[in-house]
Amino acid sequence: NAGVTQTPKFRILKIGQSMTLQCAQDMNHNYMYWYRQDPGMGLKLIYYSVGAGITDKGEVPNGYNVSRSTTEDFPLRLELAAPSQTSVYFCASSYGDTTYEQYFGPGTRLTVT
Amino acid sequence: AQSVTQPDIHITVSEGASLELRCNYSYGATPYLFWYVQSPGQGLQLLLKYFSGDTLVQGIKGFEAEFKRSQSSFNLRKPSVHWSDAAEYFCAVGSMDSSYKLIFGSGTRLLVRP
Repeated sequence: NAGVTQTPKFRILKIGQSMTLQCAQDMNHNYMYWYRQDPGMGLKLIYYSVGAGITDKGEVPNGYNVSRSTTEDFPLRLELAAPSQTSVYFCASSYGDTTYEQYFGPGTRLTVT
Repeated sequence: AQSVTQPDIHITVSEGASLELRCNYSYGATPYLFWYVQSPGQGLQLLLKYFSGDTLVQGIKGFEAEFKRSQSSFNLRKPSVHWSDAAEYFCAVGSMDSSYKLIFGSGTRLLVRP
């Protein structure tokens, strides 16, 4: 099994550009999450999804959008990139049960200049 | 609101020495608690978790953690650190709503001296 995959691994954007971070999982998990990790700040939840067609905001959703058209995929969209969005982005998935165990992808390092 | 505090940003230990990483949580009822490890350039891997029962839980890679309700703590320990343990460690608490999301602490970076 591939688990949770993310593409790209690295990306540099100019201010105002747009891009989509891809996330896919092959574990048939219903729940998927997007986090950003800033130095010394831990992981902050951006958006999450409890199943195809259902998404909800996390702690820091501003500047991002998500969609969930299939169980496997959960892309994160940045519409107008800003320097404050420079971060490492992690996607995770889980069964969404009381085990709470989340499986993480390897991350995407994004720089906005 | 639930929160997690990891008071140590960095910790340095010598190889073979014991390790304790601190974690304090804020939640009234019995929380679901987790420790994750992040090796350089990698995603997060679950080390161990506590839901209920025995307050001393064993995890992978020789780690253990002890839940102490009276101190609102869930400290991670290892009796003898290996150089490969150098990584960032995150404590997390499970949210008590239907999102099953995790609320993470800010992390502790472990450096291991040869």
